[in-house]
Amino acid sequence: DGGITQSPKYLFRKEGQNVTLSCEQNLNHDAMYWYRQDPGQGLRLIYYSQIVNDFQKGDIAEGYSVSREKKESFPLTVTSAQKNPTAFYLCASSIPTINSPLHFGNGTRLTVT
Amino acid sequence: AQTVTQSQPEMSVQEAETVTLSCTYDTSENNYYLFWYKQPPSRQMILVIRQEAYKQQNATENRFSVNFQKAAKSFSLKISDSQLGDTAMYFCAFMGPQGGSEKLVFGKGTKLTVNP
Repeated sequence: DGGITQSPKYLFRKEGQNVTLSCEQNLNHDAMYWYRQDPGQGLRLIYYSQIVNDFQKGDIAEGYSVSREKKESFPLTVTSAQKNPTAFYLCASSIPTINSPLHFGNGTRLTVT
Repeated sequence: AQTVTQSQPEMSVQEAETVTLSCTYDTSENNYYLFWYKQPPSRQMILVIRQEAYKQQNATENRFSVNFQKAAKSFSLKISDSQLGDTAMYFCAFMGPQGGSEKLVFGKGTKLTVNP
């Protein structure tokens, strides 16, 4: 079955450490996205990529970095510069055309203490 | 900038009954797209239904339908014959005429609980 796989489901890190969240898709979608979800908030876009080797900042990119070396993979690194990294992170993909729906992964819950 | 407002943080409904979730948005665009996404306790979000603003007919997907009132900038979701599996967070989202999904604006969500 085609889909998006995010791993791990739960991730714990100490403050000051960088951590990388994995996102893999086999839907053959060109576009991929990272969202952050906090309680009582909607989804906020961190980064997106519409093609391999290219990506753009979203609304809340500070303290995060991404890479897009392969069409299938779009890992997100949460750096020590992110002030409030504890959150639920969702990866998504889509065909990069207007009105195309997003396909989401199951998410990663990151807790930094 | 476009904004999406979901005024009901939480709602509950009895199994088999009908419930309506509200969503309003603010835009100066004439053509745009609206979506409802569902996020069950498993946390994976899925598309429930979508509506193109230029279509007057309200979208319907099985037990899910929308009431799209363009002049009022309202896009409510009606769930008929509610089932326990409908328990989830529901997010309304707006997409302008120019953008792809990177331009999606989400509301803060409504937590729906279906009671047996």
